[in-house]
Amino acid sequence: NAGVTQTPKFRILKIGQSMTLQCTQDMNHNYMYWYRQDPGMGLKLIYYSVGAGITDKGEVPNGYNVSRSTTEDFPLRLELAAPSQTSVYFCASSYPLASGSNEQFFGPGTRLTVL
Amino acid sequence: AQSVTQPDIHITVSEGASLELRCNYSYGATPYLFWYVQSPGQGLQLLLKYFSGDTLVQGIKGFEAEFKRSQSSFNLRKPSVHWSDAAEYFCAVAPLSGGYNKLIFGAGTRLAVHP
Repeated sequence: NAGVTQTPKFRILKIGQSMTLQCTQDMNHNYMYWYRQDPGMGLKLIYYSVGAGITDKGEVPNGYNVSRSTTEDFPLRLELAAPSQTSVYFCASSYPLASGSNEQFFGPGTRLTVL
Repeated sequence: AQSVTQPDIHITVSEGASLELRCNYSYGATPYLFWYVQSPGQGLQLLLKYFSGDTLVQGIKGFEAEFKRSQSSFNLRKPSVHWSDAAEYFCAVAPLSGGYNKLIFGAGTRLAVHP
């Protein structure tokens, strides 16, 4: 099991450019999440998905889009990069709450800088 | 509003000393409680979790945490710290319902260990 994998590990963007952060999990988890981590702020939820074809906004969704065409993949899209999107992005996955196992498994992160 | 407070932004201890990291939460009912650790450049790893039952929870790497309902606290402890414990520690809560396993993170406590 590779767990949750993210690509790329690092990226520098210019203002206004777009990019997609990739996330894949091989644990057959229904739920997937995208977080951003800013210094001293903990992790904030951007978007989440409870299954293929179903996505919803978290706390800080502005400037981002997601899709979930398969159980395994949950890409995060930045359409018009802004300096405020400079952050470390983490993808995570889990089983449903009702399963009794509420642990979220995290990927290694993508460090994004927008200049 | 639900929130998690980690009062200590940065803690420094000597190797072999005991450790306690504080976590307080604000929530209407007892939520699920978690401690995650993030080593430099890595994703988050679950240390331990509390759902119900015994209020003293054992985790990996020799960590334990005690849930105190009266104080809305879930403090993390370790009797003897090792240099490899230097990392950032996040407390998180999840409501008992909500469907998508929403996690609310504290801002984190960065632990430094002196030899």
